[in-house]
Amino acid sequence: QSVLTQPPSVSGAPGQIVTISCTGGNSNIGGGYDVQWYQQLPGTAPKVLIYGNSNRPSGVPDRFSGSKSGTSASLAITGLQAEDEADYYCQSYDIRLTAVVFGGGTKLTVL
Amino acid sequence: QVQLQESGPGLVKPSETLSLVCTVSGGSMSNYYWSWIRQAPGKGLEYIGYIYYSGTTNSNPSLKSRVTLSVDTSKNQFSLKLTSVTAADTAVYYCAGRKVTSAYWYFAVWGRGTLVPVSS
Repeated sequence: QSVLTQPPSVSGAPGQIVTISCTGGNSNIGGGYDVQWYQQLPGTAPKVLIYGNSNRPSGVPDRFSGSKSGTSASLAITGLQAEDEADYYCQSYDIRLTAVVFGGGTKLTVL
Repeated sequence: QVQLQESGPGLVKPSETLSLVCTVSGGSMSNYYWSWIRQAPGKGLEYIGYIYYSGTTNSNPSLKSRVTLSVDTSKNQFSLKLTSVTAADTAVYYCAGRKVTSAYWYFAVWGRGTLVPVSS
């Protein structure tokens, strides 16, 4: 059971918009700790897409955006492309656990 | 461009100690907090802990009693030891780095990962 809760799967057709939610609690996201998002393509290491809730590292397309509100965060992907098919993980810090925590991951399928 | 490479045994027996080394190239070890993260087959990511080049460490409380982190700056390497392993410790182990200068706790660089099965 992950500290941060994500839907196991989402799907969308090419060109559409999908959003992935990440729900935590007052000891992590709701406590003011930032949220990061990672993309993990099959057989590869995760790669950071969003850091500090809404910041994109250089090289990440602006089709990816992040937001945070209360005890939850969201990753939005616009103009869905076939190469976006991957697993996505949110990550934050939990003061009660005194540890970095990850969501359980969401598998994105491009129809 | 900092690059990371994990190395270690291909198989560990139950109750023994898992030992992994991560070699850092292309950058200074003082610029990052060096972490270990694992992923059981078909499962999500689990944070293990981090070490700074000075030797300061932090470990996930769920694993802390079994984890030892160390760093060898002369070799540009940092290491993980996990004692008393069971089949539940079978996972791909990644080394990763968080920039010291960043205000945000995110893993900017990752190794490719190494699968460590625990089996007799």
